[in-house]
Parts: sequence; C-alpha cells; structure tokens
Amino acid sequence: SQQGEEDPQALSIQEGENATMNCSYKTSINNLQWYRQNSGRGLVHLILIRSNEREKHSGRLRVTLDTSKKSSSLLITASRAADTASYFCATESYNTDKLIFGTGTRLQVFP
Amino acid sequence: GAVVSQHPSRVICKSGTSVKIECRSLDFQATTMFWYRQFPKKSLMLMATSNEGSKATYEQGVEKDKFLINHASLTLSTLTVTSAHPEDSSFYICSASLGRRVTEAFFGQGTRLTVV
Repeated sequence: SQQGEEDPQALSIQEGENATMNCSYKTSINNLQWYRQNSGRGLVHLILIRSNEREKHSGRLRVTLDTSKKSSSLLITASRAADTASYFCATESYNTDKLIFGTGTRLQVFP
Repeated sequence: GAVVSQHPSRVICKSGTSVKIECRSLDFQATTMFWYRQFPKKSLMLMATSNEGSKATYEQGVEKDKFLINHASLTLSTLTVTSAHPEDSSFYICSASLGRRVTEAFFGQGTRLTVV
C-alpha cells in the first residue's frame, strides 16, 4: 500500500496546549496536504505545502516538510476544544492525479 | 472555497438492492472527481478516479462491476453500489478538483451506507 502513516494515532491534550502530529510517506511527492475531519463528516482542507517548501503557516497551524526524510508535521498552537477532530495528511505524487491519505491522528482537546 | 454536495448523507438498504450516491460540484466544473471509502476510525481508501466523459479508473482490488461510477457531466458524478451486501456498509466520500491535477481537493459531506 502506498498509504502514509501518521503518529500518534490518538492524542489527548488540554485547551491551550500545542498539538503535534507527524506524517511519513513512501514515494516522491509533488505536494503534501493536511485535512481535518469531524466525526462522520467530510474533509476540510487545512493547508498545502509544496515539495520545494520547508515550512508553511496558516493562523494557528504550522506545517513542516522534510522531503529527505519523507515526513511532515502539523503543529496546532494554543489548541481549542473545537479543534477536536481527526487529522489526515495526504500526498499528491508526480504523474498522478490521486491523493493518498495517511492513517490519521484523532485529536481530543479537553476544555 | 468551492462547494461539493453529496447526497444522500445517510442511506439504509436491504441486501441485494442497489444504492446510488450523487456527488455534485455546486459552483465549479469538476473535470475529475474521486470516490473514497472509509471504515470506522480508519483512513480514506481511494476507490476510483472519475473523469468526465470517460470511464472511471479503479484502484486495485475495487470491483468495477460492483461499484459503478458515472461522470456524465462536469458537475455530477454518481457511485452506484450494486447488489449491496452488509460488508459494503461504510462511509463513502467524494471529492472534486478544478483540473486534472488534484492540488486542493474539495470534499462532499460523505454518505453513511448501511446494508441490512
């Protein structure tokens, strides 16, 4: 399977703390994206980082990409209870139209 | 962002019947749509890539005769689960992109299929 792996599988933190999720993938990529999924719902796009970028910010989100290690991390700063959701990384490779999703991290933020 | 609408959000059907799920891009033309299946607490598994006006491309292990995909217009793709069985019960999600390269994908709300 080409599916990437994320760790941790589950993460529980208190409001105000930072949450870090990691994603590893197997093939060379064109870009890597992070998505959020609330329970039983569709996915919402959070951020896209291209293969020639190393870091990107969007509000309380910070994404890093290390293509030499085939890994990425998503940092959510000052977490809120509303951040409770599953987070997935997804990679788009060269010469393909497909997004391949990682295994996901279930984040629980307690008030 | 662009809006993708998926219908129905939930469906219960009897074993042996067929179920059709619709995926519509509401404010843009989607040359390519994707269908995913998601098991509880698991990731999304790509089932097939649907290109407007041509046959869908199925991923390895996905039965094309069981999961019929039709992308007859630039705003609508349908997934029909034929002769459904309880093991087909799952969460099905579609996504659409603006061009033939994915870049940012816009997802439907998903359809919870329960086969009894």
